[in-house]
Amino acid sequence: DAKTTQPNSMESNEEEPVHLPCNHSTISGTDYIHWYRQLPSQGPEYVIHGLTSNVNNRMASLAIAEDRKSSTLILHRATLRDAAVYYCILTSGTYKYIFGTGTRLKVLA
Amino acid sequence: DTGVSQDPRHKITKRGQNVTFRCDPISEHNRLYWYRQTLGQGPEFLTYFQNEAQLEKSRLLSDRFSAERPKGSFSTLEIQRTEQGDSAMYLCASSLGDRSSGANVLTFGAGSRLTVL
Repeated sequence: DAKTTQPNSMESNEEEPVHLPCNHSTISGTDYIHWYRQLPSQGPEYVIHGLTSNVNNRMASLAIAEDRKSSTLILHRATLRDAAVYYCILTSGTYKYIFGTGTRLKVLA
Repeated sequence: DTGVSQDPRHKITKRGQNVTFRCDPISEHNRLYWYRQTLGQGPEFLTYFQNEAQLEKSRLLSDRFSAERPKGSFSTLEIQRTEQGDSAMYLCASSLGDRSSGANVLTFGAGSRLTVL
């Protein structure tokens, strides 16, 4: 299973953009990059996913490096409700979504 | 549709007892997953169903664990002879997808928290 590396924790001020990095140097050509987040006492929640091109949705943007060995989840204006653990996951033609320990994002008021 | 439902949300049991958790996935979803999460760790994959077929079980799933998904609808996860090390959050997720796509999006339930005394 391809692995991802994320910082253990990050801090951001409220109303400012947040860039959450993820390294995945062993990514294969068929691996999708998924991001999920988990708020306290809840199950993980889907945020965004992509394959090669940058992606935008109502929650966030996903910037994927040209060589696909890294990606960045961008929250355009962090709010207190965005404080969560963010997981970067690689998936391919399998069903196995392997979660690491993620990045704990703290948003400061 | 109210999403993925899990029951019970919390279960406290004594060591040696059996427990069963139920998961009701989103109705049109053909895939169902069970994960386990301990404090400070990410979810760990336990098992996966495509419709009613259990296609893989993690090595984390000892003989004391069994999961079923009769008729490809709801699923149950039973733990026999519970041990203190089984204390964790048990998460269920479902998705709609085919075998070839890594783009399937998982929808998780809120989890069932097990405490074994």
